[in-house]
Amino acid sequence: ETGVTQSPTHLIKTRGQQVTLRCSSQSGHNTVSWYQQALGQGPQFIFQYYREEENGRGNFPPRFSGLQFPNYSSELNVNALELDDSALYLCASSLDGYNEQFFGPGTRLTVL
Amino acid sequence: KQEVTQIPAALSVPEGENLVLNCSFTDSAIYNLQWFRQDPGKGLTSLLLIQSSQREQTSGRLNASLDKSSGRSTLYIAASQPGDSATYLCAVLPNYQLIWGAGTKLIIKP
Repeated sequence: ETGVTQSPTHLIKTRGQQVTLRCSSQSGHNTVSWYQQALGQGPQFIFQYYREEENGRGNFPPRFSGLQFPNYSSELNVNALELDDSALYLCASSLDGYNEQFFGPGTRLTVL
Repeated sequence: KQEVTQIPAALSVPEGENLVLNCSFTDSAIYNLQWFRQDPGKGLTSLLLIQSSQREQTSGRLNASLDKSSGRSTLYIAASQPGDSATYLCAVLPNYQLIWGAGTKLIIKP
């Protein structure tokens, strides 16, 4: 059974650019959630996808967008990058949105 | 609004000690509570999941309890080892999103 994977591991971008982060969910899981974790803080919920539909969204601006594919993998897109977007981006998958969530290793994004 | 607090923010103990990490939350309407471990710069490893109907869960040297009425959970680590050094986070699931504490940074001294 393959766990949650994320790519890339690290990414360096400049302010104003756009970035796409990818996540493959654990086998059998149809729900993917994305979180942003700033240094020294707990993760903050960005949004969740359930069977290719957005199922909920946290307090993030519209320049944070995503989608989920038929195989339940997911992408997080961030447009017009700002310095404060520098963080660890975590993806979690679960059987549905109300069960145990399993996390990938994260993508470290640095915006210069 | 659900809020999660973890105390202490940091803890340093000698190897071999038993220790307790605390997590409190403000709203008892939750589906479950999870404890996670995070090593520096790494992702999150799920340690224990307690469903709202359960009182505790055990895995090896770890035991987590849940008291919804008081809004509290504890993570008990028995016979601590240097390899247990990490940040421990608790998170509650009130709907579809996990609400997180800021974590307790644990250092086990050899």
